Amino acid sequence: DARVTQTPRDKVTEMGQEVTMRCQPILGHNTVFWYRQTMMQGLELLAYFRNRAPLDDSGMPKDRFSAEMPDATLATLKIQPSEPRDSAVYFCASGLGTGGSTDTQYFGPGTRLTVL
Amino acid sequence: GESVGLHLPTLSVQEGDNSIINCAYSNSASDYFIWYKQESGKGPQFIIDIRSNMDKRQGQRVTVLLNKTVKHLSLQIAATQPGDSAVYFCAENLEGYKLSFGAGTTVTVRA
Repeated sequence: DARVTQTPRDKVTEMGQEVTMRCQPILGHNTVFWYRQTMMQGLELLAYFRNRAPLDDSGMPKDRFSAEMPDATLATLKIQPSEPRDSAVYFCASGLGTGGSTDTQYFGPGTRLTVL
Repeated sequence: GESVGLHLPTLSVQEGDNSIINCAYSNSASDYFIWYKQESGKGPQFIIDIRSNMDKRQGQRVTVLLNKTVKHLSLQIAATQPGDSAVYFCAENLEGYKLSFGAGTTVTVRA
């Protein structure tokens, strides 16, 4: 049963610390998405990768957030320095990247981040 | 800006009854819609999708209806079960890969 995996599942850290979240997309998928979910804003797209290349990071605060794909099996989202307002659940999703609007996104279980 | 929204934030349904979850969208150019189910502590799970050239699509116990005239989307769940308790999100496709998610409807199934 192929699925997206994310680590850690929960992270509690103090303001100013660096946070790194990891995602393993489904094998064979070539699109990766990072989302943030909060009660106030719902699900927001932070970044989008296709074939490991970042194509859209317009939803991401550039000064503190960065997203990379070191290889096809690993996507990372880093926050440095973290702030209390970054507290949220961060989801990674992957897709087959067949193109167009019908590429279903499969979500991972999320990383719940709490910044004190 | 245009966005997807849901008519009701919560829905309580008796086990065995049918559930109907509604969604309004405002982007008339959207050509693809998806329903996701999110259980507590988990990520959104794909349920069913529909393209704008269709009015109805059926899956296992679920049916999605699309009314483009009034920009309305609905998800019908037949014979609702306790395992159907979750938050349901509709999403519309924007700009190719981008999805705009609604606020979500919390469905609670009463035994």
